[in-house]
Amino acid sequence: DAKTTQPTSMDCAEGRAANLPCNHSTISGNEYVYWYRQIHSQGPQYIIHGLKNNETNEMASLIITEDRKSSTLILPHATLRDTAVYYCIVRVANDLTGTASKLTFGTGTRLQVTL
Amino acid sequence: KAGVTQTPRYLIKTRGQQVTLSCSPISGHRSVSWYQQTPGQGLQFLFEYFSETQRNKGNFPGRFSGRQFSNSRSEMNVSTLELGDSALYLCASSLPRDSPTDTQYFGPGTRLTVL
Repeated sequence: DAKTTQPTSMDCAEGRAANLPCNHSTISGNEYVYWYRQIHSQGPQYIIHGLKNNETNEMASLIITEDRKSSTLILPHATLRDTAVYYCIVRVANDLTGTASKLTFGTGTRLQVTL
Repeated sequence: KAGVTQTPRYLIKTRGQQVTLSCSPISGHRSVSWYQQTPGQGLQFLFEYFSETQRNKGNFPGRFSGRQFSNSRSEMNVSTLELGDSALYLCASSLPRDSPTDTQYFGPGTRLTVL
């Protein structure tokens, strides 16, 4: 799986948009970008994933650059409950042989939302 | 639909003992993956089971083992516990029967403390 690079930490004021960047310059054509977050001592929570088009769901938006070498997770109106470590992961899509089952987590970005 | 459940949530053992952790996947999910999270090493992949077969394995010693039952529930076992096995053990499920989507959804984890 391609390696990802994320800032160690970021701050965001409550109510403002949180934009979390991720670099994945070695991403392959069949690899998706996945985002998870982990609130202290809980299991990681799936947020969103995408291949090359921008994606949006009820939690966030994912913007992937045209060359796919980087992406940005956007939380449109951050709240205190969004304080967490956010992980950007690159992996191949569904592979029923199981080789894609391993998620490789980096150190993530610690997002602190403040009043 | 209920999420991934893990039991027990907390466990204290002493060195040399063995432990069994249990994971019930989301209803209909066929794949179960296990991860270990420690402050020093972060989130690391242990192994993945699909249709009662281990398909993928991380770089952990043989003291770590697992199995999956016909109802997709899974257990992991750690024998001869060491102090360094103290960690949050996370289970994730994916691959619903009616879809090839392999997005992994995590449980709350089991916090194991080895004294």
